[in-house]
Amino acid sequence: AQSVTQLGSHVSVSEGALVLLRCNYSSSVPPYLFWYVQYPNQGLQLLLKYTSAATLVKGINGFEAEFKKSETSFHLTKPSAHMSDAAEYFCAVSVRAGGTSYGKLTFGQGTILTVHP
Amino acid sequence: DTEVTQTPKHLVMGMTNKKSLKCEQHMGHRAMYWYKQKAKKPPELMFVYSYEKLSINESVPSRFSPECPNSSLLNLHLHALQPEDSALYLCASSHPGTGGFYEQYFGPGTRLTVT
Repeated sequence: AQSVTQLGSHVSVSEGALVLLRCNYSSSVPPYLFWYVQYPNQGLQLLLKYTSAATLVKGINGFEAEFKKSETSFHLTKPSAHMSDAAEYFCAVSVRAGGTSYGKLTFGQGTILTVHP
Repeated sequence: DTEVTQTPKHLVMGMTNKKSLKCEQHMGHRAMYWYKQKAKKPPELMFVYSYEKLSINESVPSRFSPECPNSSLLNLHLHALQPEDSALYLCASSHPGTGGFYEQYFGPGTRLTVT
């Protein structure tokens, strides 16, 4: 079974500051990892994904994440926060599922990012 | 085109009403999902359809009835709902890739209020 822990339900930064959202996972098999962003009253938008091709993953809107197997972490970063980054962010894990044609995502509890001017 | 569409955007219904939510994608994805999301919580999986067949039902009450009429459409029929069913209902789809990599694309959701 797999699980995801997001450290910090709320993170607040100033505009222009570094954004760091923490995600730790647990999986008995090599995982696929995702970060999604959700703006108020909207669906989830995929920011980036780790699929074992590269440990440093670049996504949309200037975000990136680094997969660290030894730390079972997949933290999301952005060098300089913008007001438009204010949203809720979800880390999710999906394990290899041989024999099926779909995936089952396990989400973390989410982190609400607030950006101050 | 990586778009999943959902209608309606908002729905208010009484506990005795029957209504349906609709989801559509034209990406050729063969897996489609229904999620329920309460405020300040992550999405919870309800149903998964794979190649138009119901593959997962996460012990969802029978007042929710999914239907997948074809590979592009997914419906969720609602009947005799309770106020606690009020939530954002999200649809997603994924490509049947290999090795377990199933990137899910989400629709904008339907905000359901049960009165």
